[in-house]
This record gives sequence, C-alpha cells and structure tokens, in this order.
Amino acid sequence: EVQLLDSGGGLVQPGGSLRLSCEASEFTLSTFAMSWVRQAPGKGLEWVSSISGLTGKTAYADSVKGRFTVSRDTSKNTLYLQMSSLRSDDTAVYYCATVLRKDWEPWAPFHYWGQGTLVAVSS
Amino acid sequence: QSALTQPASVSGSPGQSITISCTGTSVDVGGYNFVSWYQQYPGKAPKLLIYDITYLASGVSSRFSGSKSGNTASLTISGLQADDEADYYCSSYVGITSSVTFGGGTTLTVL
Repeated sequence: EVQLLDSGGGLVQPGGSLRLSCEASEFTLSTFAMSWVRQAPGKGLEWVSSISGLTGKTAYADSVKGRFTVSRDTSKNTLYLQMSSLRSDDTAVYYCATVLRKDWEPWAPFHYWGQGTLVAVSS
Repeated sequence: QSALTQPASVSGSPGQSITISCTGTSVDVGGYNFVSWYQQYPGKAPKLLIYDITYLASGVSSRFSGSKSGNTASLTISGLQADDEADYYCSSYVGITSSVTFGGGTTLTVL
C-alpha cells in the first residue's frame, strides 16, 4: 500500500527557512504528480504547491509563490518543500499528497496523503 | 476565508441521513464536475471519499454519495454511524486560476 511519510516540521522564527520532506514507499514518487497541502490550526485545507511526475513542472499558490520551492530526489524517492521568508500565517500542518496522475492536474482528487508535519512560525 | 462555503456543523442520529452542502460559483463548483469530498478525523490526514461529484473512492462505503446542482455540491451520508463523526471538506477545481480550492470544513456530530 502507498505510504507517504512527512517530516521536517518544527518551530522557526519569522523570516526563517525550513525544508519539509515526504518519503514515499510502495510508490515511485517520480512517476506521479505530488503536492503539498496545508492546514492552519483549526482551519480548512489549502493547496500550496505541486510538481508533475514526468516533466517536473511546478505550480504554486499565490500565497507562497516566490517563497516556497517544491522539488524531489528520485534516488531517495523523496519530495521536498523548501520554505523561506516564513510568516506567522504559514503556521500549519503540511501534508504531502498525490493525485495519482503523471502530470499535475488541479481537477484531480488527492488519493493518498502523508500524516502531516507541523510548522510553527513564531518569535 | 475559504473560497467554498460549507456549514460549520451538522448533526444527526444513528441511522439517519444527513447532507453537507458546498457552495461556490460558476468559476469553480458550478463550472466543472470536479468536486471532491474528504473525511478527516482529529489529528489525522484527510481521506478521499468522493471525486468528480459522484464517484466513490476505493474502499469507501456506499453510504456516502455526492451530487451537484448549480453552484452547490452536496455530500450525503445515509445510515449514520458513530464513526462517521468527523470533519468533512469539499474541494473544487478553479478554472480561472487552474488551481484547486477547498471549503472551510463541516464538523459532523452523531448524536
């Protein structure tokens, strides 16, 4: 069964940086589009970023564009989210997820999710 | 503020049916048949229930069903059970930005 393991969260000061990881098992990460979705405490879900499986083409929500970078290491079967210039409103649980499509298709459902990793931005 | 509007809470008794609405606009819910529903227990990751308005995800009980009318999509749960108590989120494709947006979530309480 597909398993996605999120890690890398923690407490960071405003303006700081953090890199999240999502390790995939029973699943070749580079074959499918992968995404990050976040959830602020007590709030709803928000799509953050995606990367297509074959082309590596990326997409970002306006709220993180220019500050976050999504990437992957196919040798480690791991997805990353490099976050910089962090703000208090970036505080959230970050989930990696896949739409099980080769390319990022924003109309496709998120079939599998990681367990999430908490990022807290505070001084 | 979420782009899709859901009621904050709904409740029902075991065995009853409930419906959760998800209201958007013509650029998202109303314009496309790309609405999904997710179930989330506290502290857990969301789980896909329904996609493309009406299609059940693998392994999901047929007690869950979806529909759409105009700019509003709906999730119906029939034969309510105690373990249906959770948060439910809708999502929709947004054509003008080629992105995905979610509703604010609905907490279901089984009385």
